[in-house]
Amino acid sequence: AQSVSQHNHHVILSEAASLELGCNYSYGGTVNLFWYVQYPGQHLQLLLKYFSGDPLVKGIKGFEAEFIKSKFSFNLRKPSVQWSDTAEYFCAVTSLSGTYKYIFGTGTRLKVLA
Amino acid sequence: DTGVSQNPRHKITKRGQNVTFRCDPISEHNRLYWYRQTLGQGPEFLTYFQNEAQLEKSRLLSDRFSAERPKGSFSTLEIQRTEQGDSAMYLCASSSRDTQGANVLTFGAGSRLTVL
Repeated sequence: AQSVSQHNHHVILSEAASLELGCNYSYGGTVNLFWYVQYPGQHLQLLLKYFSGDPLVKGIKGFEAEFIKSKFSFNLRKPSVQWSDTAEYFCAVTSLSGTYKYIFGTGTRLKVLA
Repeated sequence: DTGVSQNPRHKITKRGQNVTFRCDPISEHNRLYWYRQTLGQGPEFLTYFQNEAQLEKSRLLSDRFSAERPKGSFSTLEIQRTEQGDSAMYLCASSSRDTQGANVLTFGAGSRLTVL
């Protein structure tokens, strides 16, 4: 069955700490991978996406993610977090063939302490 | 274009009543999705449309749930005979292919349902 696993449900960091959020997926065939973010009181927004080409993708606000096909992983990273990064982060996957359904992970709630 | 619009933003109803949510997607987007999200969970796929055709529906979706997109523009999601377990945030998203060919979802703010 198609699924997305996010290993960290809650993460607390101090400002300037480095961040890495794990995401593994189970999905046959060629995939697109995404990270969405939901800031407090706001709706889901696209943070970054992997479609093809360079497996290291850069998104908004200094975030990046690396697609490792052999590990079925798409981990999100940021070298130095800010208080304004406090939010919930969701990894998602969709196939390039057949269905255009997105499968989301359960999310990681990040709190950054000032 | 103001993005994806959902109404109502919050609905409180008694168990057994019917509710309907409306979604107005971004006008040039041909795909429209409905998701459900409960506290501590990620968005759970319900169904999606390409233009007016409903192409996929979750097997988890009870037959009390029905969605339509009659003219390929706005969509409605109706829940009949609501149950307390239906309490959730109902999210609508629309998409089309971006310049890279990726199908990127744009979400609305959601409609929160509380069933008493």
